[in-house]
Amino acid sequence: AQSVTQLGSHVSVSEGALVLLRCNYSSSVPPYLFWYVQYPNQGLQLLLKYTSAATLVKGINGFEAEFKKSETSFHLTKPSAHMSDAAEYFCAVSDPGTNAGKSTFGDGTTLTVKP
Amino acid sequence: NAGVTQTPKFQVLKTGQSMTLQCAQDMNHNSMYWYRQDPGMGLRLIYYSASEGTTDKGEVPNGYNVSRLNKREFSLRLESAAPSQTSVYFCASSEKGWGDGYTFGSGTRLTVV
Repeated sequence: AQSVTQLGSHVSVSEGALVLLRCNYSSSVPPYLFWYVQYPNQGLQLLLKYTSAATLVKGINGFEAEFKKSETSFHLTKPSAHMSDAAEYFCAVSDPGTNAGKSTFGDGTTLTVKP
Repeated sequence: NAGVTQTPKFQVLKTGQSMTLQCAQDMNHNSMYWYRQDPGMGLRLIYYSASEGTTDKGEVPNGYNVSRLNKREFSLRLESAAPSQTSVYFCASSEKGWGDGYTFGSGTRLTVV
């Protein structure tokens, strides 16, 4: 069964600092991987996705993530944090060929950006 | 573009009452999903529909039923609400399922007292 582990339920960075949110996955086959962002009282919005093309994936709002098969990781990074990046971030995994492309989500990481 | 529309946005139910959460998408997506979100537990899949006319159970289906009314609409019904069903419910859709990622609605915040 597929699963996702997000390391650190809360991450705090200063404005302008590097953002690093960690995600490790478990899957029996090469997976599809996703990062979503959720702002307060809103639904989730897709940030980026990995679907077996380039291992470094660029998304919206300056975020990117690198797929590392040897480490079963898909960490999310942004070189310079902005106050508007404060939100909850979810990593998700989906096995290709799974009926309807069901995704399994991590527990989420809340990002706080300090001025 | 409306995307995925959920109604209602907020609801308070008494234990034992029933209600239906509505979801509609206007993107001609094939797959639709219902998730619940609880603090510290991420999102858990309740039911999903791979295509019009099909529905399947997810991780936490007990106490819920669904109907894929047509390609656009996918409703979630609570027949006899329980306090354990207090949660935020999200509907999502995906064009093909694999590799697309989801488009989410804005959620329904349900409280069962």
